[in-house]
Parts: sequence; C-alpha cells; structure tokens
Amino acid sequence: GAVVSQHPSRVICKSGTSVKIECRSLDFQATTMFWYRQFPKQSLMLMATSNEGSKATYEQGVEKDKFLINHASLTLSTLTVTSAHPEDSSFYICSAPYMNTEAFFGQGTRLTVV
Amino acid sequence: AQSVTQLDSQVPVFEEAPVELRCNYSSSVSVYLFWYVQYPNQGLQLLLKYLSGSTLVKGINGFEAEFNKSQTSFHLRKPSVHISDTAEYFCAVTKGGSARQLTFGSGTQLTVLP
Repeated sequence: GAVVSQHPSRVICKSGTSVKIECRSLDFQATTMFWYRQFPKQSLMLMATSNEGSKATYEQGVEKDKFLINHASLTLSTLTVTSAHPEDSSFYICSAPYMNTEAFFGQGTRLTVV
Repeated sequence: AQSVTQLDSQVPVFEEAPVELRCNYSSSVSVYLFWYVQYPNQGLQLLLKYLSGSTLVKGINGFEAEFNKSQTSFHLRKPSVHISDTAEYFCAVTKGGSARQLTFGSGTQLTVLP
C-alpha cells in the first residue's frame, strides 16, 4: 500500500537553531501534503498545506517565517522550524492524500528544543 | 465547514470485553468519515473509512464502524479487545468527494486492562 515516510523520527536541538523535517510519499505522487502539530494528549492541529510548485497555505495563527515549507517535488515536502525555541517542542506529523479517498500519514517527528 | 466530536476522552475496558468509541460529526454537505489509531510516538494508521454505500464498514484488527446519517454518528466498535489495542483513536471527517483536508476529533484514549 501507499506509504509516507517522515524523517527524522526524533530530534533534539539547541534554542536558536533550525531543524528540517522531511516528508516523502514513497510510491505515489502527492501534489499536496499537510503538516500537523500535536501537543501531548491532544488532537492534530493543521498548520499548513504544502503545494508542489507554489507557496504553502498557512492556517490562521501559524507564523510563516517560523515554519518554512518547501514542496520541492511531487514526492517531497519539507518543514523547517527556524530559530527554534522551547515552545516549538512538539510532535509534528505530515500527511499526503491518496486517490482522493484517504490520507496516509508519516511516522511523526518528536522535536525537543533545549 | 465540518466538525467532529469524540464524546469520551478516555475509555478503560477489560481484555476480551466489547468496546464502543463514540464519534459525532456536523456538516452541511456529504462527508467521508475515518477512524485512525495512533500508538505512542507514532503517526496515524487508518483503521477504516466510510465513503459511500454500505453503512457498516469493517476495518483492520477486527474493528468496525457504522455510519448513521440521521444521528450524524460514526461509532467505532470491537466485540473483543486485546491488550495490544491500547492506543489513541481519532475520528476524522472530510468533505465528501475529497479526502484531502481532514478535521480531527479530540481523540479517545482506549486502555485495555488485563
């Protein structure tokens, strides 16, 4: 079946540095991918929609300059958390819609900023 | 816009007992409905989905759900749970015809007790 691979699964970084998270659709093309953020014991909150070949669409309240999204190809979207701070620590998950009938999710990335 | 309500944040149940996780949705248009399972520090795995047709949907791991349009519900059931079913379960909805941008419920933590 279709698979979405997200990397890294876990990252610890120093405050002020930037972290890049990759999301790949392994056996299908995804012109659109979605990035979610999940706080402990809470649901997934959509951060932004990544569009291949055009700018990402951000949800209200999400800082575009803080969370940079690049959809470089039909199988790869990246989320870069710039100048990370402890409050950016969270679980980030990507997803890609498949055949318009479901969405496949990456394994998630646990970001800890110290 | 669509919304999802999961009425129970936590459901403890003994092993081999039946379980029902409740999900209600609201939408002014037709919808697709999904149940996902999330194990600790992992992404989401699709359990089952309702797109159209038969209102009783069977999924993986012995789970099933019934779409009830009049009650706007999509409750998840399993006749006999195992310890390995302990996880977070999310109900999600998207506008019918396009499983792209999902709206998630708040999640239900199912804990199976020995």
